[in-house]
Amino acid sequence: GAVVSQHPSRVICKSGTSVKIECRSLDFQATTMFWYRQFPKQSLMLMATSNEGSKATYEQGVEKDKFLINHASLTLSTLTVTSAHPEDSSFYICSARVGGVGGTQYFGPGTRLLVL
Amino acid sequence: EDKVVQSPLSLVVHEGDTVTLNCSYEVTNFRSLLWYKQEKKAPTFLFMLTSSGIEKKSGRLSSILDKKELFSILNITATQTGDSAIYLCAVSSGGSNYKLTFGKGTLLTVNP
Repeated sequence: GAVVSQHPSRVICKSGTSVKIECRSLDFQATTMFWYRQFPKQSLMLMATSNEGSKATYEQGVEKDKFLINHASLTLSTLTVTSAHPEDSSFYICSARVGGVGGTQYFGPGTRLLVL
Repeated sequence: EDKVVQSPLSLVVHEGDTVTLNCSYEVTNFRSLLWYKQEKKAPTFLFMLTSSGIEKKSGRLSSILDKKELFSILNITATQTGDSAIYLCAVSSGGSNYKLTFGKGTLLTVNP
């Protein structure tokens, strides 16, 4: 149980284009999902908290207009990197929380984004 | 600002050795501490600790939390090459979203 998928697993795009990453909880419903970014040899940095049916909560320093988050259902959250630039190249990982507040977060397999 | 510090940053051992990984934290409104194992992709969940002094075990892995000293350890006995990974410690804190703050991880390499 508690399986989270992400799509795509890898994407290469040109500078200036937008990229959408999907995060799905496959065998449970998740009111809350989280989006993280991980640079090489660095730890996971929380970007935003995604709540179903409401606006995402962004961490300090994360541009909400650049990283658009939509959590339209209890099993799907999407992250759109708008007008991507090379410095946005990173490993993006989502997690979904099981069982509500205080529950364990289970992670998706991640999406590696390379912006040329 | 919430802070999670792991040590050592990297560790190389031989198969069969026992290792202890450390995690200390300073956070506001602590909820729980979690350990994850990260191989090539995203982290996989190992343990969640909420109470001091209660050891959690899963096979050769065990972990314990000390809420007075703000510290946790992860032990791996009889290590195998498949244990090679980055081990991440994260602390859940704050308000209703229970967000996680991660440490930088310990890179464990187990040589045959």
